Amino acid sequence: DIQMTQSPSTLSASVGDRVTITCRASQSVNTWLAWYQQKPGKAPKLVIYKASSLENGVPSRFSGSGSGTEFTLTISSLQPDDFATYYCQQYKNYPYTFGQGTKLEIK
Amino acid sequence: QVQLVESGGGVVQPGRSLRLSCAASGFTFSNYAMHWVRQAPGKGLEWVAIISDDGGNRYSADSVRGRFTVSRDNSKNTLFLQTNSLRPEDTAVYYCVKAAPRWEPKVDTFDIWGQGTMVTVSS
Repeated sequence: DIQMTQSPSTLSASVGDRVTITCRASQSVNTWLAWYQQKPGKAPKLVIYKASSLENGVPSRFSGSGSGTEFTLTISSLQPDDFATYYCQQYKNYPYTFGQGTKLEIK
Repeated sequence: QVQLVESGGGVVQPGRSLRLSCAASGFTFSNYAMHWVRQAPGKGLEWVAIISDDGGNRYSADSVRGRFTVSRDNSKNTLFLQTNSLRPEDTAVYYCVKAAPRWEPKVDTFDIWGQGTMVTVSS
């Protein structure tokens, strides 16, 4: 199985900050990498697919990059609605696997 | 609008069974592969199983293989997860998830999620 590791596990930031979350895969997933946002008590929501493509309706302050084994999710200017937990997921091979999550908190 | 509504969760003793259902609406259900994903309380996401659009292909995680079975009834726009021999570590919210199709750039991603149904395995 492909292991996905995110860092940091928790990130404290302020509205307007630029933040970056990193995701590493235990083997190459090419660009078969997605990012999901989850708010407490809610289902996850697709944010980024194919490592860098923005899902319809997601604000352009979100961006993704990377290929192979190293990926990043960047939020250019944090808004109050962005405070949530973010998960990366590889969908190159079954079993599809998720990172452990990064909780983005208000500083 | 596109909607997935899970049901069938509850509290069950170890070793018993539950059948989870997911009612789909707002899209042509039979055209899409479907997944189950679970999330233990306070924990991360774990993929559980997939079934192809016609039900002919299925695959599940090692942690549930041999105990859980995914199926679908395309005539009723419904996805199922039969969970047998339940263990305390199966306690989680179970999400029904639609897969983005092969003709879209976001192919194979999880683009629509249900609200989840809670399964608690406890004596």
